[in-house]
Amino acid sequence: GAVVSQHPSRVICKSGTSVKIECRSLDFQATTMFWYRQFPKQSLMLMATSNEGSKATYEQGVEKDKFLINHASLTLSTLTVTSAHPEDSSFYICSVPGQGRRDTQYFGPGTRLTVL
Amino acid sequence: DQQVKQNSPSLSVQEGRISILNCDYTNSMFDYFLWYKKYPAEGPTFLISISSIKDKNEDGRFTVFLNKSAKHLSLHIVPSQPGDSAVYFCAASDSGNTPLVFGKGTRLSVIA
Repeated sequence: GAVVSQHPSRVICKSGTSVKIECRSLDFQATTMFWYRQFPKQSLMLMATSNEGSKATYEQGVEKDKFLINHASLTLSTLTVTSAHPEDSSFYICSVPGQGRRDTQYFGPGTRLTVL
Repeated sequence: DQQVKQNSPSLSVQEGRISILNCDYTNSMFDYFLWYKKYPAEGPTFLISISSIKDKNEDGRFTVFLNKSAKHLSLHIVPSQPGDSAVYFCAASDSGNTPLVFGKGTRLSVIA
């Protein structure tokens, strides 16, 4: 399967600061990447679809000005949590669609964000 | 409205026995279903999938069954091993070009 990396794996920040999370597709180029958030004991909730060369598509209820997504290249997408607050503390995971059937997604290892 | 439901939050099974994880869905447009395994603080790992044109797909110890009329699928693990202990997510897609819809997961504990 595809290898997807995320950096950093854990980050602790103060309230009001911005945090950038990187997602890299190491095996193949990805015109689309997905960003998910998982709260404890909850499902994976899709936040947005990152599109290379165009604007990201956000799910209902996700603030695009707070969660900035930049799909800078065919192998890199970044999620920036701006002016983070404690309620933004969560596990953020990116995924890359498989090259055959797109819905076979390959997930990164996730980033644990803790906002103090 | 939850389109993919995993009604059992947890399941305990003895090592060597069969584990059966269930998943129900409401959207009749879903045509592809996947199971993911997730350890704490890690991303989900793809396990097995099934297309709506099939009713069974087998891969080693893992078998997924699909009952379209009941909008129900299940993952069978046999024999269960302690290393199978994880959270299992059921996911569904309706076109291949849209993101997956996930259930809430079932935590499987395999007891030695």
